[in-house]
Amino acid sequence: EIVLTQSPATLSLSPGERATLSCRASQSVTTHLAWYQQKPGQAPRLLIYATSSRATGIPARFSGSGSGTDFTLTISSLEPEDFAVYYCQQRSNWLCSFGQGTKLEIK
Amino acid sequence: QLQLQESGPGLVKPSETLSLTCTVSGGSISSGSYYWGWIRQPPGKGLEWIGSVFHDGSAHYNPSLKSRGTISVDTSANQFSLKVTSVTAADTAVYFCASEPLPAATTFDFWGQGTLVTVSS
Repeated sequence: EIVLTQSPATLSLSPGERATLSCRASQSVTTHLAWYQQKPGQAPRLLIYATSSRATGIPARFSGSGSGTDFTLTISSLEPEDFAVYYCQQRSNWLCSFGQGTKLEIK
Repeated sequence: QLQLQESGPGLVKPSETLSLTCTVSGGSISSGSYYWGWIRQPPGKGLEWIGSVFHDGSAHYNPSLKSRGTISVDTSANQFSLKVTSVTAADTAVYFCASEPLPAATTFDFWGQGTLVTVSS
């Protein structure tokens, strides 16, 4: 089973700042990595799939990069609605796993 | 676009079986364009994949469920279902159903709103 480790657990930033979230896999997931945003009381929303492709309707300030075992979600300039919990997710050999999440909070 | 809606009892007794259904609209389960998955989230915690099923009934499961989970499809009703046997308090969670577009089937693009299931006597 592939374990995904996200860092930091909590990130405190101000609107307008740049956010960099990390996801490290215990073994290579090639490029089959996705990122989700979850707000309280809501279902997760797909942001990024296949490491760097934005899902439909996702603003250009969200971008993803990486390969192998190290992946990054970058939010170029934080908007007030971006403060939420972010999860990475992979599927390999038909098994799926999520990272434990990074909480992005307002500083 | 797809819409998914979970339904089922919100309270299950310990040692009994949890049963949930996901109704899909805006698309056909039998189209073969998606895998269909269940994910859960214990209160205040992260997301855990339970398993996924194809329209032909073939399924894959998280080994952590230790064979307690079964996912099935009913193409005539455009639904897929989850059963978890021998539940304990650790199975208390919000349960989400979601779609996984093919050919890759590596992401969950549409989600239901989630339903809270509490395991308690």
